[in-house]
Amino acid sequence: DVKVTQSSRYLVKRTGEKVFLECVQDMDHENMFWYRQDPGLGLRLIYFSYDVKMKEKGDIPEGYSVSREKKERFSLILESASTNQTSMYLCASSFGSNSYEQYFGPGTRLTVT
Amino acid sequence: ELKVEQNPLFLSMQEGKNYTIYCNYSTTSDRLYWYRQDPGKSLESLFVLLSNGAVKQEGRLMASLDTKARLSTLHITAAVHDLSATYFCAVDDNDMRFGAGTRLTVKP
Repeated sequence: DVKVTQSSRYLVKRTGEKVFLECVQDMDHENMFWYRQDPGLGLRLIYFSYDVKMKEKGDIPEGYSVSREKKERFSLILESASTNQTSMYLCASSFGSNSYEQYFGPGTRLTVT
Repeated sequence: ELKVEQNPLFLSMQEGKNYTIYCNYSTTSDRLYWYRQDPGKSLESLFVLLSNGAVKQEGRLMASLDTKARLSTLHITAAVHDLSATYFCAVDDNDMRFGAGTRLTVKP
């Protein structure tokens, strides 16, 4: 089974802090994604990566950056956390072709106070 | 811009009844996915539909895809409580775009 793990299930940070969310997958997937999930809005794509050291902006990249130094690891960085970044963050991975579904991690519920 | 619309957003149904969730989208993509999410948990892949007319069934759930109508349906047959969850459709048009989700509650 594909396993996608995220570093924290719950995280509480203060406004202005730098926040790192880590995601690791164990199936040698080329593609990795970061989404945020908010009630009534479904999932919105923040950033994705098709290869090591490669990144592409999704629909809502503002206030976020990412890092992919190794194929299995994709990090989401909030440079200066704000209260409107309080959300559930989901990481996903998939094979290289667009014809494969994404496998999701358990999610990190981030609260910024 | 690709838009994905699900309806209904909330669905409360009795056990044993049938119902259909609809997923409309605005592109010509022929790659559509259905996911299930239980409260407090992540998304689990249910169906992958990769061509016009594709139909997949698993237990009491059946998904279909009509690319000409830009419509996918998730049909629930004889609902049971265990099906209570939120169901998302997602359309892959180079970027994956998710619907808002349908929160299904099955009551005894």
